[in-house]
Amino acid sequence: DTEVTQTPKHLVMGMTNKKSLKCEQHMGHRAMYWYKQKAKKPPELMFVYSYEKLSINESVPSRFSPECPNSSLLNLHLHALQPEDSALYLCASSQETASGSTDTQYFGPGTRLTVL
Amino acid sequence: GDSVTQMEGPVTLSEEAFLTINCTYTATGYPSLFWYVQYPGEGLQLLLKATKADDKGSNKGFEATYRKETTSFHLEKGSVQVSDSAVYFCALSDLRGGSEKLVFGKGTKLTVNP
Repeated sequence: DTEVTQTPKHLVMGMTNKKSLKCEQHMGHRAMYWYKQKAKKPPELMFVYSYEKLSINESVPSRFSPECPNSSLLNLHLHALQPEDSALYLCASSQETASGSTDTQYFGPGTRLTVL
Repeated sequence: GDSVTQMEGPVTLSEEAFLTINCTYTATGYPSLFWYVQYPGEGLQLLLKATKADDKGSNKGFEATYRKETTSFHLEKGSVQVSDSAVYFCALSDLRGGSEKLVFGKGTKLTVNP
């Protein structure tokens, strides 16, 4: 089973709203990722969690706040977003290898976010 | 830094035609190489991967061989179907901070007509 689930599938929010995106995997993967994908572009890495600790933050604005409450869940809290933040937000997970590096990333279906 | 260059589309083929999507990379180490596919309105799905030189990844009739001498990982399929219409991303893994970062090419949109 290589399934990563994401909720909601679609989200429309105003610039003053607070919302959260959720991601879940039950593959025992210890690395989890958030990506942002604009139309007709490749995904851009936002955050990486390794063993529930933030290991990479790609200089993402503070209006995006990640959280990893346990090894299976990854959240992305959204507050005071801008219209240009409208995009597909993808979650991914991967297994740690014996050497300590991480293996193939498996992606969820994404949340289509529209900021009005 | 590491980078991936893939042929830009769009690519339009007739059903049963031969497909090649070129991908070359620049890397300081020995990255793993991947092809991901994204169908309309969906997330990315791993299509195939190769972890070392001369490895061939294959899946669903698609193949790609890790060529270190030409730093390439071209995607091929002998006979495409309408259902193969999607965007294809070539990617390499870049180990940084103990975690793998995927470096993606810009993507190639494939349309297969009946």
